[in-house]
Amino acid sequence: AQSVTQLGSHVSVSEGALVLLRCNYSSSVPPYLFWYVQYPNQGLQLLLKYTSAATLVKGINGFEAEFKKSETSFHLTKPSAHMSDAAEYFCAVRKDSSYKLIFGSGTRLLVRP
Amino acid sequence: ETGVTQSPTHLIKTRGQQVTLRCSSQSGHNTVSWYQQALGQGPQFIFQYYREEENGRGNFPPRFSGLQFPNYSSELNVNALELDDSALYLCASSLERNPYEQYFGPGTRLTVT
Repeated sequence: AQSVTQLGSHVSVSEGALVLLRCNYSSSVPPYLFWYVQYPNQGLQLLLKYTSAATLVKGINGFEAEFKKSETSFHLTKPSAHMSDAAEYFCAVRKDSSYKLIFGSGTRLLVRP
Repeated sequence: ETGVTQSPTHLIKTRGQQVTLRCSSQSGHNTVSWYQQALGQGPQFIFQYYREEENGRGNFPPRFSGLQFPNYSSELNVNALELDDSALYLCASSLERNPYEQYFGPGTRLTVT
């Protein structure tokens, strides 16, 4: 069965610091992986997706993620945090042959001035 | 702006009542999925519709049902509401030719008292 684990329910960084949000997946087949962002009282916005092409995926707002099969990881990074990055971030994997997304429990990013 | 709208924004119901939530997708988005997001958790897949037929279902009881209409709108119906049904309900739609990119609406916040 496919699943994702997000390490750290809360991550706090200073403005301008590196952002690293961790996601590990379990999948018996090459997965499709996604990162979504959710701002307060809003729906989910797709940041980036991995669909078996390049292992380093660039997304919107300066975020990127690297697919590492040996580590079963798909961590999200951004070189320099901005106050507007404060939000909840969800890692998700596509289930089997359907389009169902399985989400992690989320990581809340706090950005300190 | 994803082009996916949901109504109402907020809703308060009493235990045992029935509720209908609505979603309107972009033209051509013939796949729609519904998710339940409880407070502090990631979204959980309820079911998916493709061309007006249910195409997959998560671990939700039959009192959760749906409809999809030819005009790219859809409904989520929940009967016999329980307190644990209190959550943010999200719909997500996608194009047939790009099924891995799901566009989420802003959600409907349902409170059951």
